[in-house]
Amino acid sequence: DGGITQSPKYLFRKEGQNVTLSCEQNLNHDAMYWYRQDPGQGLRLIYYSQIVNDFQKGDIAEGYSVSREKKESFPLTVTSAQKNPTAFYLCASSIPGTSIPYFGPGTRLTVT
Amino acid sequence: AQSVSQHNHHVILSEAASLELGCNYSYGGTVNLFWYVQYPGQHLQLLLKYFSGDPLVKGIKGFEAEFIKSKFSFNLRKPSVQWSDTAEYFCAVNARDFGNEKLTFGTGTRLTIIP
Repeated sequence: DGGITQSPKYLFRKEGQNVTLSCEQNLNHDAMYWYRQDPGQGLRLIYYSQIVNDFQKGDIAEGYSVSREKKESFPLTVTSAQKNPTAFYLCASSIPGTSIPYFGPGTRLTVT
Repeated sequence: AQSVSQHNHHVILSEAASLELGCNYSYGGTVNLFWYVQYPGQHLQLLLKYFSGDPLVKGIKGFEAEFIKSKFSFNLRKPSVQWSDTAEYFCAVNARDFGNEKLTFGTGTRLTIIP
């Protein structure tokens, strides 16, 4: 069954700790994306990657880092430098140029 | 860089009313356009998409959207809404920017249907 997996669904961390959110896809898509969703602000692009070992900053990359060592995986690290990390994080993937972005179920991160 | 504007933040309609949600984008090149829906507690789901061809596209659940290139618009419509259409709706643009593809979303429109 093809799709995008994000785990865990809910994540709680103390302020000052880094945390890594998982995103895995078995759709054989080249492109992957990370978005942050906040009420009233829609989805904002954090990072995206068109191919393995390459990624670009999105509109709100500060305080985040990513890696793309494998085609199927695109983990996002929320660092302690991110000033307002509590949010709903969505991962997506697509075939560049032609296809429809598919979204994972999301991870709700709460930092206290 | 591209941007997407959704001017309606919250729309409240009665069942059977007609719906039109606005979406405007700014980008001079070729774009792919999408409408996504997020029902309460659920994943983002694709409603419809426009890549090329007929500017009037039909999606799932009776939704349609019209691409008007001269107005940089891609408004979502439904002739008669149902209570089950209560959700948040997002317009998105996929454009090539300096050789990379970015999918940019609008801020979303919350739709509430009153039975």
